[in-house]
Amino acid sequence: AQKITQTQPGMFVQEKEAVTLDCTYDTSDPSYGLFWYKQPSSGEMIFLIYQGSYDQQNATEGRYSLNFQKARKSANLVISASQLGDSAMYFCAMSSIQGAQKLVFGQGTRLTINP
Amino acid sequence: GAVVSQHPSRVICKSGTSVKIECRSLDFQATTMFWYRQFPKQSLMLMATSNEGSKATYEQGVEKDKFLINHASLTLSTLTVTSAHPEDSSFYICSAARGQINTEAFFGQGTRLTVV
Repeated sequence: AQKITQTQPGMFVQEKEAVTLDCTYDTSDPSYGLFWYKQPSSGEMIFLIYQGSYDQQNATEGRYSLNFQKARKSANLVISASQLGDSAMYFCAMSSIQGAQKLVFGQGTRLTINP
Repeated sequence: GAVVSQHPSRVICKSGTSVKIECRSLDFQATTMFWYRQFPKQSLMLMATSNEGSKATYEQGVEKDKFLINHASLTLSTLTVTSAHPEDSSFYICSAARGQINTEAFFGQGTRLTVV
Protein backbone atom coordinates (compact mmCIF):
# COMPACT_ATOMS: atom_id res chain seq x y z
CA ALA A 1 0.00 0.00 0.00
CA GLN A 2 1.08 3.52 -0.68
CA LYS A 3 1.51 6.06 2.09
CA ILE A 4 2.33 9.75 2.10
CA THR A 5 3.53 11.54 5.22
CA GLN A 6 3.65 15.27 5.73
CA THR A 7 5.06 15.99 9.17
CA GLN A 8 4.55 19.75 9.25
CA PRO A 9 0.95 20.63 10.24
CA GLY A 10 1.72 24.32 9.89
CA MET A 11 4.46 26.55 8.56
CA PHE A 12 4.92 30.30 9.00
CA VAL A 13 7.22 32.16 6.63
CA GLN A 14 8.04 35.78 5.98
CA GLU A 15 7.07 37.13 2.60
CA LYS A 16 9.80 36.82 -0.06
CA GLU A 17 11.57 34.04 1.79
CA ALA A 18 11.90 30.53 0.39
CA VAL A 19 10.05 27.71 2.09
CA THR A 20 10.39 23.94 1.97
CA LEU A 21 7.41 21.70 2.63
CA ASP A 22 8.35 18.16 3.56
CA CYS A 23 6.89 15.01 2.08
CA THR A 24 8.00 11.42 2.49
CA TYR A 25 6.39 8.44 0.88
CA ASP A 26 6.31 4.70 1.04
CA THR A 27 5.45 2.35 -1.77
CA SER A 28 6.41 -1.01 -3.17
CA ASP A 29 5.55 0.02 -6.71
CA PRO A 30 8.60 0.33 -8.96
CA SER A 31 6.93 3.11 -10.90
CA TYR A 32 4.97 5.95 -9.36
CA GLY A 33 4.17 9.62 -9.64
CA LEU A 34 4.43 12.34 -7.03
CA PHE A 35 2.26 15.44 -7.01
CA TRP A 36 1.87 18.64 -5.05
CA TYR A 37 -1.44 20.48 -4.85
CA LYS A 38 -2.40 23.79 -3.30
CA GLN A 39 -5.80 24.10 -1.67
CA PRO A 40 -6.91 27.65 -0.80
CA SER A 41 -9.85 28.29 1.50
CA SER A 42 -12.23 27.98 -1.47
CA GLY A 43 -11.46 24.26 -1.54
CA GLU A 44 -10.32 23.87 -5.11
CA MET A 45 -7.27 21.71 -5.73
CA ILE A 46 -4.65 23.56 -7.72
CA PHE A 47 -2.01 21.40 -9.38
CA LEU A 48 1.50 22.69 -8.75
CA ILE A 49 4.07 20.17 -9.87
CA TYR A 50 4.64 16.55 -10.83
CA GLN A 51 7.62 14.21 -10.54
CA GLY A 52 7.78 10.77 -12.09
CA SER A 53 9.78 8.13 -10.28
CA TYR A 54 11.95 7.54 -13.34
CA ASP A 55 12.53 11.20 -14.08
CA GLN A 56 16.22 11.95 -13.89
CA GLN A 57 15.90 15.62 -13.08
CA ASN A 58 13.96 17.37 -10.37
CA ALA A 59 10.77 18.98 -11.62
CA THR A 60 10.45 22.74 -11.70
CA GLU A 61 7.44 24.96 -12.46
CA GLY A 62 8.08 28.66 -12.08
CA ARG A 63 8.60 29.37 -8.36
CA TYR A 64 7.95 25.73 -7.48
CA SER A 65 10.54 23.01 -7.51
CA LEU A 66 10.43 19.48 -6.24
CA ASN A 67 13.45 18.16 -4.39
CA PHE A 68 13.17 14.48 -5.28
CA GLN A 69 15.44 12.14 -3.32
CA LYS A 70 14.45 8.66 -4.37
CA ALA A 71 16.73 6.77 -2.01
CA ARG A 72 15.32 8.69 0.94
CA LYS A 73 11.77 8.46 -0.46
CA SER A 74 11.24 12.15 -0.11
CA ALA A 75 9.64 14.68 -2.42
CA ASN A 76 9.86 18.07 -0.77
CA LEU A 77 8.28 21.11 -2.36
CA VAL A 78 10.35 24.28 -2.47
CA ILE A 79 8.62 27.59 -3.03
CA SER A 80 11.00 30.42 -3.82
CA ALA A 81 10.27 34.07 -3.11
CA SER A 82 7.05 33.38 -1.24
CA GLN A 83 4.07 35.66 -1.73
CA LEU A 84 1.06 36.45 0.45
CA GLY A 85 -1.10 34.55 -2.05
CA ASP A 86 0.83 31.39 -1.30
CA SER A 87 -0.96 31.07 2.02
CA ALA A 88 -3.02 27.87 1.73
CA MET A 89 -3.05 24.15 2.49
CA TYR A 90 -0.53 22.13 0.55
CA PHE A 91 -0.96 18.44 -0.14
CA CYS A 92 1.58 15.95 -1.34
CA ALA A 93 0.13 12.98 -3.21
CA MET A 94 1.24 9.94 -5.12
CA SER A 95 -0.11 7.65 -7.79
CA SER A 96 0.87 4.19 -8.84
CA ILE A 97 2.60 4.05 -12.21
CA GLN A 98 3.84 7.24 -13.69
CA GLY A 99 0.46 8.64 -14.41
CA ALA A 100 -2.36 10.48 -12.76
CA GLN A 101 -4.52 7.62 -11.68
CA LYS A 102 -6.07 7.55 -8.25
CA LEU A 103 -4.12 9.56 -5.73
CA VAL A 104 -3.15 8.94 -2.14
CA PHE A 105 -2.79 12.19 -0.22
CA GLY A 106 -0.76 13.23 2.76
CA GLN A 107 -2.22 15.04 5.73
CA GLY A 108 -1.36 18.43 4.37
CA THR A 109 0.62 21.43 5.58
CA ARG A 110 -0.97 24.80 6.23
CA LEU A 111 1.38 27.48 4.98
CA THR A 112 0.99 31.03 6.21
CA ILE A 113 2.96 33.82 4.62
CA ASN A 114 3.46 36.82 6.88
CA PRO A 115 3.90 40.31 5.44
CA GLY B 1 -5.85 23.54 -20.41
CA ALA B 2 -8.14 20.74 -19.39
CA VAL B 3 -10.98 21.65 -17.09
CA VAL B 4 -13.18 19.60 -14.86
CA SER B 5 -16.41 21.22 -13.77
CA GLN B 6 -18.31 20.15 -10.67
CA HIS B 7 -21.82 21.19 -9.75
CA PRO B 8 -23.23 22.31 -7.39
CA SER B 9 -20.51 24.05 -5.41
CA ARG B 10 -22.63 24.17 -2.29
CA VAL B 11 -25.75 22.33 -1.25
CA ILE B 12 -27.79 22.16 1.90
CA CYS B 13 -30.29 19.37 2.21
CA LYS B 14 -32.57 17.91 4.81
CA SER B 15 -31.72 14.68 6.53
CA GLY B 16 -33.19 11.72 4.65
CA THR B 17 -33.14 13.30 1.23
CA SER B 18 -30.79 12.52 -1.67
CA VAL B 19 -28.33 14.84 -3.34
CA LYS B 20 -26.75 14.47 -6.78
CA ILE B 21 -23.36 15.94 -7.60
CA GLU B 22 -22.14 16.20 -11.18
CA CYS B 23 -18.59 16.05 -12.45
CA ARG B 24 -17.91 16.94 -16.08
CA SER B 25 -14.73 16.93 -18.09
CA LEU B 26 -15.16 19.93 -20.37
CA ASP B 27 -12.57 19.47 -23.08
CA PHE B 28 -11.42 15.90 -22.91
CA GLN B 29 -12.88 12.44 -22.57
CA ALA B 30 -12.39 10.78 -19.24
CA THR B 31 -12.90 7.04 -19.13
CA THR B 32 -12.08 7.16 -15.44
CA MET B 33 -13.04 9.69 -12.81
CA PHE B 34 -12.40 9.65 -9.10
CA TRP B 35 -14.51 10.81 -6.17
CA TYR B 36 -12.88 12.03 -2.98
CA ARG B 37 -14.27 13.18 0.35
CA GLN B 38 -12.62 15.67 2.66
CA PHE B 39 -13.80 16.25 6.20
CA PRO B 40 -12.89 19.57 7.87
CA LYS B 41 -9.20 19.98 8.56
CA GLN B 42 -8.46 16.56 7.08
CA SER B 43 -6.96 15.24 3.90
CA LEU B 44 -8.70 13.96 0.80
CA MET B 45 -9.73 10.34 0.94
CA LEU B 46 -10.60 8.39 -2.18
CA MET B 47 -14.15 7.08 -2.08
CA ALA B 48 -14.52 5.40 -5.43
CA THR B 49 -13.30 5.09 -8.98
CA SER B 50 -15.91 5.80 -11.60
CA ASN B 51 -15.55 3.82 -14.81
CA GLU B 52 -17.41 4.80 -17.96
CA GLY B 53 -19.87 2.13 -18.96
CA SER B 54 -19.25 -0.14 -16.00
CA LYS B 55 -19.72 -0.32 -12.27
CA ALA B 56 -17.76 1.92 -9.97
CA THR B 57 -15.04 0.53 -7.75
CA TYR B 58 -15.47 1.55 -4.13
CA GLU B 59 -12.76 1.87 -1.51
CA GLN B 60 -12.98 -0.19 1.62
CA GLY B 61 -15.47 1.21 4.08
CA VAL B 62 -17.46 3.21 1.55
CA GLU B 63 -21.08 2.12 1.25
CA LYS B 64 -21.91 1.58 -2.40
CA ASP B 65 -25.65 1.68 -1.75
CA LYS B 66 -25.34 5.03 -0.06
CA PHE B 67 -23.00 6.68 -2.53
CA LEU B 68 -24.32 5.85 -5.96
CA ILE B 69 -21.99 6.57 -8.84
CA ASN B 70 -23.01 6.71 -12.48
CA HIS B 71 -20.58 7.28 -15.33
CA ALA B 72 -22.89 7.17 -18.30
CA SER B 73 -20.73 9.09 -20.74
CA LEU B 74 -17.10 9.90 -21.33
CA THR B 75 -17.57 13.41 -19.96
CA LEU B 76 -19.94 12.98 -17.03
CA SER B 77 -19.87 11.16 -13.72
CA THR B 78 -22.45 11.67 -11.00
CA LEU B 79 -22.32 10.95 -7.29
CA THR B 80 -25.64 10.62 -5.50
CA VAL B 81 -25.65 10.70 -1.73
CA THR B 82 -28.77 8.79 -0.81
CA SER B 83 -30.72 9.22 2.42
CA ALA B 84 -28.23 11.81 3.58
CA HIS B 85 -27.48 12.23 7.28
CA PRO B 86 -25.62 14.98 9.11
CA GLU B 87 -22.50 12.79 9.27
CA ASP B 88 -22.41 12.85 5.45
CA SER B 89 -21.75 16.58 5.61
CA SER B 90 -18.38 17.00 3.95
CA PHE B 91 -16.51 18.40 0.98
CA TYR B 92 -16.81 16.13 -2.06
CA ILE B 93 -14.45 16.61 -4.97
CA CYS B 94 -13.97 14.75 -8.21
CA SER B 95 -10.98 14.37 -10.46
CA ALA B 96 -10.37 13.09 -13.94
CA ALA B 97 -7.28 11.93 -15.77
CA ARG B 98 -6.84 12.39 -19.48
CA GLY B 99 -5.73 9.06 -20.84
CA GLN B 100 -3.95 6.24 -19.07
CA ILE B 101 -0.64 8.00 -18.58
CA ASN B 102 -0.76 11.58 -17.52
CA THR B 103 1.11 13.90 -15.29
CA GLU B 104 -1.78 15.84 -13.84
CA ALA B 105 -5.08 14.89 -12.29
CA PHE B 106 -7.61 17.62 -12.97
CA PHE B 107 -9.95 18.39 -10.10
CA GLY B 108 -13.40 19.86 -10.04
CA GLN B 109 -14.15 22.83 -7.82
CA GLY B 110 -15.63 20.60 -5.15
CA THR B 111 -19.07 20.46 -3.51
CA ARG B 112 -19.65 21.42 0.08
CA LEU B 113 -22.55 19.33 1.34
CA THR B 114 -24.36 20.25 4.52
CA VAL B 115 -27.07 17.95 5.80
CA VAL B 116 -29.40 19.50 8.35
